Parts: sequence; C-alpha cells; structure tokens
Amino acid sequence: DGGITQSPKYLFRKEGQNVTLSCEQNLNHDAMYWYRQDPGQGLRLIYYSQIVNDFQKGDIAEGYSVSREKKESFPLTVTSAQKNPTAFYLCASMETGGFSGANVLTFGAGSRLTVL
Amino acid sequence: GNSVTQMEGPVTLSEEAFLTINCTYTATGYPSLFWYVQYPGEGLQLLLKATKADDKGSNKGFEATYRKETTSFHLEKGSVQVSDSAVYFCAFPSGGSNYKLTFGKGTLLTVNP
Repeated sequence: DGGITQSPKYLFRKEGQNVTLSCEQNLNHDAMYWYRQDPGQGLRLIYYSQIVNDFQKGDIAEGYSVSREKKESFPLTVTSAQKNPTAFYLCASMETGGFSGANVLTFGAGSRLTVL
Repeated sequence: GNSVTQMEGPVTLSEEAFLTINCTYTATGYPSLFWYVQYPGEGLQLLLKATKADDKGSNKGFEATYRKETTSFHLEKGSVQVSDSAVYFCAFPSGGSNYKLTFGKGTLLTVNP
C-alpha cells in the first residue's frame, strides 16, 4: 500500500545536538511538507517542497533545515538553533496535478521529539 | 491575510449526541475547504472536503456545507460515537497557492459512552 513513512516515531535529544527526522513517500507525489504540532496551536508549516531540488520556508523555518534530493524523500533537520524543539512533527505530501481545487494532503504518523 | 478560525475546545459529548464544530475563514476568492481528523497518536487524515460554494462534503456520517455568504464550513454529525473521539482541524489553501494549506488550531472532541 502507498503511504508516508516517518522515522523514528520517538526521538530524544540533548540540548545543543542536531537531529534529523526521516520522511519517505511512495505515492509519487510531487509536493512534500513538514508541519510542527504543539498543544493548542494547531499545525504550523515549517518547510515545503513542490519539486525535487527546490523548497520554500514556511511560517516557522528558523532553526530547521531540509533537503529534497529525491522525489520520495524530504528529511528535516532540527538544529541546535531551534530554541524550543520539543514537539510532534508531521510530514505530508500532495499530488499537485489535476483539478487545482481538489488537492489533498496525505500525512505520515508523525515523529515526537523530546529535548532532554 | 488568509486565516481560519475554528471553534475552541475541548468538546465533551455523550454518545448519540449532536455535534457541531464551527469553522470560518478569511480568504480571497472561493478556495476549497477541508476537514481533517487526527485520532490519538496518529497523523491527520482527510475527513471531507468541498471544492466550491454550496457543495456539501460528507463522510462517516459527518457533513459540512460550503457557505460563501457566511464564509463558513461548519462540521456536523447527527449522532456521535465513542470512536469519533479525536481532534478535528478545518483547513484551506492560503498564501496564493492551492498547494499550501492553513489549518485551524484544532478542536478536541471526547465522546463518552
């Protein structure tokens, strides 16, 4: 079955360390996204990529970095510059062709990062 | 700018009660509108959508009607079940792109037996 795989599901990090969250999709979707979820704040967009080798900052990109070297993969690095990294991170993808008003996000199961 | 305002929770109901979760948006034009649901410990999944004014999206007994006059897309279900306990998010494309969604803050629904 097609879908999005995020790993690891749980991750613990010491302050000052960088950590990379993996996101892989086999849906052949062009666009991929990273959202951060905090209690009471909904989802906030970190980065997104509409095609390979191109990505744009979302609303809260500071302290994060991404790459899009392959269509299937969109890893997110949480750097030591991110002051409050403890959160639930969600990766998503979207097929961008077809009827422009009907595009739907497909989400992974999420990765929970805790800074110790 | 574009924004979405969603009814704050948490909402606690008894089984078989009627559910309404309000959602209003501010946008240029008439974007597609979505409701997503997040079950405990999982990612989000699409619940229903409407792509133009007066459309009604429906799924799993939930319904929402695209009201352009009131810029609203309220979620309703006539008889909730314990298994409907989840967080519900209203969303729509924003920032001039159909490929970038803005989400509401989410409404936690708890249904008690």
